[in-house]
Amino acid sequence: AQTVTQSQPEMSVQEAETVTLSCTYDTSESDYYLFWYKQPPSRQMILVIRQEAYKQQNATENRFSVNFQKAAKSFSLKISDSQLGDAAMYFCAYLRKSGGSNYKLTFGKGTLLTVNP
Amino acid sequence: DTGVSQDPRHKITKRGQNVTFRCDPISEHNRLYWYRQTLGQGPEFLTYFQNEAQLEKSRLLSDRFSAERPKGSFSTLEIQRTEQGDSAMYLCASSLKGVSHNSPLHFGNGTRLTVT
Repeated sequence: AQTVTQSQPEMSVQEAETVTLSCTYDTSESDYYLFWYKQPPSRQMILVIRQEAYKQQNATENRFSVNFQKAAKSFSLKISDSQLGDAAMYFCAYLRKSGGSNYKLTFGKGTLLTVNP
Repeated sequence: DTGVSQDPRHKITKRGQNVTFRCDPISEHNRLYWYRQTLGQGPEFLTYFQNEAQLEKSRLLSDRFSAERPKGSFSTLEIQRTEQGDSAMYLCASSLKGVSHNSPLHFGNGTRLTVT
């Protein structure tokens, strides 16, 4: 079974600074998808960034980028120039690409990010 | 695109009562998913539909839980004889087809259930 581990229950960053959130996962698959979702307080889960495992190039979306290390099964999220609106719970998620379970995201427990003004 | 909507946002019920939640997915999305999220945890998969067919149920979904999507549009999740352990956020999500890199899940705001 796939598992996703986020080892940092909470992180904080100063506004305008950079922060990196960690995520590791366990899988025997060679091809899969990885996602970071953001869940602001009392608001809906929003997709931040996505990565296909067979693509070696790290995904980037504006201030958000990932460091995907396939051999190490690591998928960290870097937020540059942090803004107050980035404060949220961040979830790392894994999706098996094929087979009978390719509809089921497996989420980590989340990292609560605080942005200090 | 009005997004995924869920109703109600909050539900407080007494133990033993039945509750029903509704989810309206994004209109062109044929796949609909239910997840449960407890405090301090990530969402956990409960069940999913492709159109009106319920194709998978997690072992987390006990016999007291039932989900339907009768016309392949909105879905309902009913919990019978609620227990305090059912207290959680129930999230609905939809996708255009199978979840993939290019077809991610779109989540609703969730229904927060409190069983007293």
